[in-house]
Amino acid sequence: GAVVSQHPSRVICKSGTSVKIECRSLDFQATTMFWYRQFPKQSLMLMATSNEGSKATYEQGVEKDKFLINHASLTLSTLTVTSAHPEDSSFYICSASSLGPPTNEKLFFGSGTQLSVL
Amino acid sequence: GQQLNQSPQSMFIQEGEDVSMNCTSSSIFNTWLWYKQEPGEGPVLLIALYKAGELTSNGRLTAQFGITRKDSFLNISASIPSDVGIYFCAGKKSGTYKYIFGTGTRLKVLA
Repeated sequence: GAVVSQHPSRVICKSGTSVKIECRSLDFQATTMFWYRQFPKQSLMLMATSNEGSKATYEQGVEKDKFLINHASLTLSTLTVTSAHPEDSSFYICSASSLGPPTNEKLFFGSGTQLSVL
Repeated sequence: GQQLNQSPQSMFIQEGEDVSMNCTSSSIFNTWLWYKQEPGEGPVLLIALYKAGELTSNGRLTAQFGITRKDSFLNISASIPSDVGIYFCAGKKSGTYKYIFGTGTRLKVLA
């Protein structure tokens, strides 16, 4: 399957600092990337949809100014958690949609980033 | 956000047993994806389904796209210890770009 690289895999930061997470599709172009948040023993919660060259679409209840998303190219999307606080601590995962015929579209995930805010 | 009903929520089985889990929705989907997630990792795609009634295998795993298009099933035959993990289904409606995820099935295999 296609490869989606996500970095860093783990980050510990002080409260009030900003953290940037990168998501790259290594062997395919991804017009659309998604960012999720996952709490322990729960399913994935979609935060926002990132489209190359346009503003991200945020899900209801997700603060746009807190979670800044940039999709600068067809292979790179970044999520910046601004002024992080302990309640932002979570596992963040990105995914990229491999475009093709509707009968062949797949969604591939990065390995996730565990954010711990002290 | 919306989630799909996935059952069972968890399973404890003996090595060598077969496993069945399913995902149901009140809406019609045109794509079903099945994933396995291990602790601290992102979900890994197991099987993709695109047509009602479609049956697709990947090694010991077999998944089916329900004929009503409102459900999907995943079977694992002859389970082994490395099958341990959380299995998620994800469905997408026609004309949309977002996938809706199931609540997950946590599988534990006893050697």
